Amino acid sequence: NAGVTQTPKFQVLKTGQSMTLQCAQDMNHNSMYWYRQDPGMGLRLIYYSASEGTTDKGEVPNGYNVSRLNKREFSLRLESAAPSQTSVYFCASSNQWTGRGANVLTFGAGSRLTVL
Amino acid sequence: SQQGEEDPQALSIQEGENATMNCSYKTSINNLQWYRQNSGRGLVHLILIRSNEREKHSGRLRVTLDTSKKSSSLLITASRAADTASYFCATDAGDGGYNKLIFGAGTRLAVHP
Repeated sequence: NAGVTQTPKFQVLKTGQSMTLQCAQDMNHNSMYWYRQDPGMGLRLIYYSASEGTTDKGEVPNGYNVSRLNKREFSLRLESAAPSQTSVYFCASSNQWTGRGANVLTFGAGSRLTVL
Repeated sequence: SQQGEEDPQALSIQEGENATMNCSYKTSINNLQWYRQNSGRGLVHLILIRSNEREKHSGRLRVTLDTSKKSSSLLITASRAADTASYFCATDAGDGGYNKLIFGAGTRLAVHP
C-alpha cells in the first residue's frame, strides 16, 4: 500500500511564481490535511478537508488555496509564492471519528519548497 | 498558537538508557497523541491516550496523562539507536474541532551506540 503520496518532493520557486502540491491517499480516508513544518515551530495546519466536497481553514491559511478534487486527492496551491512560504509541506489523511473518538493521521513523506 | 509544547527540545542518551519527553498543553482535550519523525520523513503515529486514561503502554513506550496539570509524558525504555528521531505530541482542539490536530515543536532524541 502506498498510503499518502505527495508530489513533488522538492521544488524551487522564484518569488511571485505559482505552483500546486499534489496529494493522494489510497486508504479510503474521509479527511485530508495540509501542514507546514518550519524549524522550531512544529507542524502548523494550513487547510483541511473533513470530507469530500468540504474544505476549511487551519491556523495559517493566508497565501494558500486548496482543492479536494475527489475522495483520494487534496491539492495545495500557492498563487504567488513568497520567501516566507519556504517550508516543508506535509499532507495527511484520516478516518475522522466523531464524538470522543480519535483522529489519527497518516502522513506523506513531505514536499520541500524553497522560494527565492 | 501552539497547543502542545514539548520539553526538552533536545535529548541525547546512550543505548539502553530510558528517554523521557514531556508535553504541556493549554486547553481541555479529548485525546493526546504522540508521533515520531525520522529525519527527512513524514510523521508516524505511535500511541494515543484518551482524556479519561492516566497511563498507556505499547511495547517499550509508556505514556502518562495528567489532565489536572495539562501535561503528558512519553517514556521510551531500553532505547536503541533506531529510536533516534523527533517526537511530537498532538492534541485535538478540544472545542469539538476533532478535525484539527495541533502539534508541538517536538523533542529531538539522539541515541548513541
